[in-house]
Amino acid sequence: EAGVVQSPRYKIIEKKQPVAFWCNPISGHNTLYWYRQNLGQGPELLIRYENEEAVDDSQLPKDRFSAERLKGVDSTLKIQPAELGDSAVYLCASSAGTSGRNTGELFFGEGSRLTVL
Amino acid sequence: AQTVTQSQPEMSVQEAETVTLSCTYDTSENNYYLFWYKQPPSRQMILVIRQEAYKQQNATENRFSVNFQKAAKSFSLKISDSQLGDTAMYFCAFSPGSQGNLIFGKGTKLSVKP
Repeated sequence: EAGVVQSPRYKIIEKKQPVAFWCNPISGHNTLYWYRQNLGQGPELLIRYENEEAVDDSQLPKDRFSAERLKGVDSTLKIQPAELGDSAVYLCASSAGTSGRNTGELFFGEGSRLTVL
Repeated sequence: AQTVTQSQPEMSVQEAETVTLSCTYDTSENNYYLFWYKQPPSRQMILVIRQEAYKQQNATENRFSVNFQKAAKSFSLKISDSQLGDTAMYFCAFSPGSQGNLIFGKGTKLSVKP
């Protein structure tokens, strides 16, 4: 069974440029997460989807970040324009459960490492 | 606010020995889950072990076991017979029973030395 797939693995851009990350979750997983992991830190949630609905985007900086999961499967996370402080690893994860029925186990992709110059 | 604290930024252990990683958490919830995730240098997070808060029995998975102290809100990970492949960042994580999110600690970098 294929795991969570993310692309690109690495991205280097100059500040003020746009960037997009793509995630394909494990087949059948209803819930999809985007986390940001700064160097030496634990991941922090940016947004959580249940099917195509964003049920928790309270930590997403909405002035420059956007995300979508149009058909409840793949998801894209976009940053426009990127700032120096956005350099981090962006992790996508998926789980089979939804609110109230979850066991908490998340399956993670390998992440997309963003460097903003 | 729900928080997870890992007080050991780095630890090292000799191969074949035992090491314990500490984790404390803060929550007012009664139903929740606790996890230890491993993140090798390749960066993909892998679940090591899971504990349901309503279970008093400590979870074990082969060489990995936890010491869950609910009243103290403590959740430590013991790795027995440490192997070189155990070298990684280890993250303690908390999940409220009513939500799907994971709240992570800052991690402990474990180095297993030959």
